[in-house]
Amino acid sequence: GIQVEQSPPDLILQEGANSTLRCNFSDSVNNLQWFHQNPWGQLINLFYIPSGTKQNGRLSATTVATERYSLLYISSSQTTDSGVYFCAGQFYSGYALNFGKGTSLLVTP
Amino acid sequence: EAQVTQNPRYLITVTGKKLTVTCSQNMNHEYMSWYRQDPGLGLRQIYYSMNVEVTDKGDVPEGYKVSRKEKRNFPLILESPSPNQTSLYFCASSWGGGNEQFFGPGTRLTVL
Repeated sequence: GIQVEQSPPDLILQEGANSTLRCNFSDSVNNLQWFHQNPWGQLINLFYIPSGTKQNGRLSATTVATERYSLLYISSSQTTDSGVYFCAGQFYSGYALNFGKGTSLLVTP
Repeated sequence: EAQVTQNPRYLITVTGKKLTVTCSQNMNHEYMSWYRQDPGLGLRQIYYSMNVEVTDKGDVPEGYKVSRKEKRNFPLILESPSPNQTSLYFCASSWGGGNEQFFGPGTRLTVL
């Protein structure tokens, strides 16, 4: 079946460090999104990025659709960046967003 | 403010007692859907709706019902809740099936 795989599963950073989260998907996508799930459980939209590169402040994302992967960059991390980061792909065969298992990020002071 | 709202945010109930979780969006989106999130299983789609009066099953529809009588509302109905429906539920909406989806704040449901 269609798979979305994220790495690493867990990440601990010191405040100020940079990181790269990776998302591999097994089929072509017509929608690729990154989310941050905060400690209260809310899913916050970070990027809608089926292809190309986008930046929003300290965060940026790149999707290379032909090679079936997406990257999320976090620069100068802050403790408020802690939480779980999900990528989710919507494939041409269906309408559901297929979520990866997430990367759990802890940023320490 | 453009948003997806869900109510209630937290609910503890007992097996067999019918309940409804409401979802409303103010963005005039055509597509709406429900997901549940469980440890180790991630987020899975329950039902979705492409437009008013058009609904279809997602990956885990058993034990749930939905309706889409108005564009802005998409309630999730549990006719006879069971403990295995204890979960975190999210409603989402978008302009269309392939567009950016926006999620509600989630509803934590516990069925005893």
